Amino acid sequence: EPEVTQTPSHQVTQMGQEVILRCVPISNHLYFYWYRQILGQKVEFLVSFYNNEISEKSEIFDDQFSVERPDGSNFTLKIRSTKLEDSAMYFCASNRVPGANVLTFGAGSRLTVL
Amino acid sequence: KQEVTQIPAALSVPEGENLVLNCSFTDSAIYNLQWFRQDPGKGLTSLLLIQSSQREQTSGRLNASLDKSSGRSTLYIAASQPGDSATYLCAVDRNDYKLSFGAGTTVTVRA
Repeated sequence: EPEVTQTPSHQVTQMGQEVILRCVPISNHLYFYWYRQILGQKVEFLVSFYNNEISEKSEIFDDQFSVERPDGSNFTLKIRSTKLEDSAMYFCASNRVPGANVLTFGAGSRLTVL
Repeated sequence: KQEVTQIPAALSVPEGENLVLNCSFTDSAIYNLQWFRQDPGKGLTSLLLIQSSQREQTSGRLNASLDKSSGRSTLYIAASQPGDSATYLCAVDRNDYKLSFGAGTTVTVRA
């Protein structure tokens, strides 16, 4: 069964450092998303991406965050200057048609900011 | 703003018992509702997707109902097994490219 693949599975970084989280969505999917889950809290929407531009973003997704689809397969989330409160599990997800199809999530990238 | 609530927060049952997990949402103008399973430290696995026009959806031992007008969905798991132990999340889609999640119900099935 097709999967959404995320790397790294775990990253530890110092506060203020830049971090890039990578995702390979399912190949025939057109819509891509980042969600995050702070330990013990709800899964929260960050951003959706379609046709090489952001469709929707939450208040969390401020200027410190950016997304990119640098080639035909990868989808990345960059955090420019990490803060302690950015420590969370970050999930990438994709689907073909929003609303009509299930959203398929990756296994997540755990980010720890020290 | 859509608020999604799941009750109970945790549930422990003996093997073989049926499970009933509840989800409520404040804005009934939804496009669909999805139930997910999350194992500790892992990603989210989609279990069932119910479109707003549907009343229920079934997959094996799982059955999910949706009452959009009252803002409720229920996930039933028949004849529970220890392998069903996980956190179950519901998420609501308002067709605005984002899901709103509940906090989840953590299920423990005792052998």
